[in-house]
Parts: sequence; C-alpha cells; structure tokens
Amino acid sequence: DAKTTQPPSMDCAEGRAANLPCNHSTISGNEYVYWYRQIHSQGPQYIIHGLKNNETNEMASLIITEDRKSSTLILPHATLRDTAVYYCIVKTSGTYKYIFGTGTRLKVLA
Amino acid sequence: GAVVSQHPSWVICKSGTSVKIECRSLDFQATTMFWYRQFPKQSLMLMATSNEGSKATYEQGVEKDKFLINHASLTLSTLTVTSAHPEDSSFYICSARHPTGGYTEAFFGQGTRLTVV
Repeated sequence: DAKTTQPPSMDCAEGRAANLPCNHSTISGNEYVYWYRQIHSQGPQYIIHGLKNNETNEMASLIITEDRKSSTLILPHATLRDTAVYYCIVKTSGTYKYIFGTGTRLKVLA
Repeated sequence: GAVVSQHPSWVICKSGTSVKIECRSLDFQATTMFWYRQFPKQSLMLMATSNEGSKATYEQGVEKDKFLINHASLTLSTLTVTSAHPEDSSFYICSARHPTGGYTEAFFGQGTRLTVV
C-alpha cells in the first residue's frame, strides 16, 4: 500500500472549516484514499473514502487532486467534538489490513 | 454501519498473569478480524490477522506465543496476552471486515486499555 504523509498537528477555530491535507504521491490506480479519526482513548472511526472524484457525506468532504497524489479532508464547521487524530490511509478496496501513519492531531479551539 | 465491540474496555492485571480480550462483531459475521496495539501518543500498529477456523497470521516482530489469538466463531475473536508484563501495557484495538461487498472499510472496536502492574 502507498505511504501517506500528514502534518503532525493543526489547530482550527470552532465553527470554521478544518482542512486536513494528506500526501500520497506513490498511490497506484486501484488504491482508494480513506480517512479515519480517533478520538482520545477510542477506536478509529470511519469518515469518508474516495478513488478520484470528490466525495461528500454528512461528516466531511474529500477533495482529491486530479493527479491523485494528494487529498484534503474538509470538516466544514468544526466543533470541539472534532478534536481528534485524523488518519489518511491509502489501500485497495479489497484490503482490510490497515497500515496507519502518524496522522494529524487536530485541536479545535473555542 | 456495522458494529464491533470489545470487552473489557479496560483491565488491570498483575505481572505474570494472562488476560483475555474479546472482539465481537454484533450485527454481521466476520471471517477476518485484525488486532492492533497502540502505545501512548503513537499510531496503531498491526499485530495479527485473525481468521475464523484457522491459525492467525502474525506481523513480523509479534510473538505468537505471547499473544494468543483464537477466532472460533464468525462473530468472536479473542486475544490473550500471556504472562503479561508492564511493557505489555497498551491500548489494544480490533477491527473486522464486513462480508458484503457494500462495505469496503473495516470497522473498529472501541479498544481495550490494558495496564499490567
């Protein structure tokens, strides 16, 4: 599976959009981009995934660049409860054995 | 989405004893489950793949005799930490693959915090 690179930490003001970047320059054609988050002392929670088109669900939006070498997770109106470590994972659809990187620790500030 | 539950959520045990952690898929059958370990301020590290009805597959560097994995049914995998020592204190997390093609993501349990004293 391709390796991902994320900034170690970010701050975001409550109510503002949080934009979390992820680099995956070695992604291959059949690999998807998945985002999970881990709130302190809990298991990872699935957020969203995509292949090449932008995706949106009730939690977030995922913007994937045209060359698919990077992506951005957008939390449109961050709340204090969005404070967590966010992981970007690249994998094929048939892979369930995840390799977690270091993730981005997002702190939402009141 | 599908629900994966771990039990217990936290456990304290004495050094030298063994402790069992359960991972259950509550509303689906999981032929494959995965076990991860997470030390404080670190990322999740995959320990092993648990396959129903067959032996687990361990990642390099994980002692299979110390971390016993049993996947005896389609809804339950157990991880037993044998002869636990303080350095085994960690957050243990399981995940499961949903059998239908509609889900391509794995579902994670809430984790079990093990403290060995």
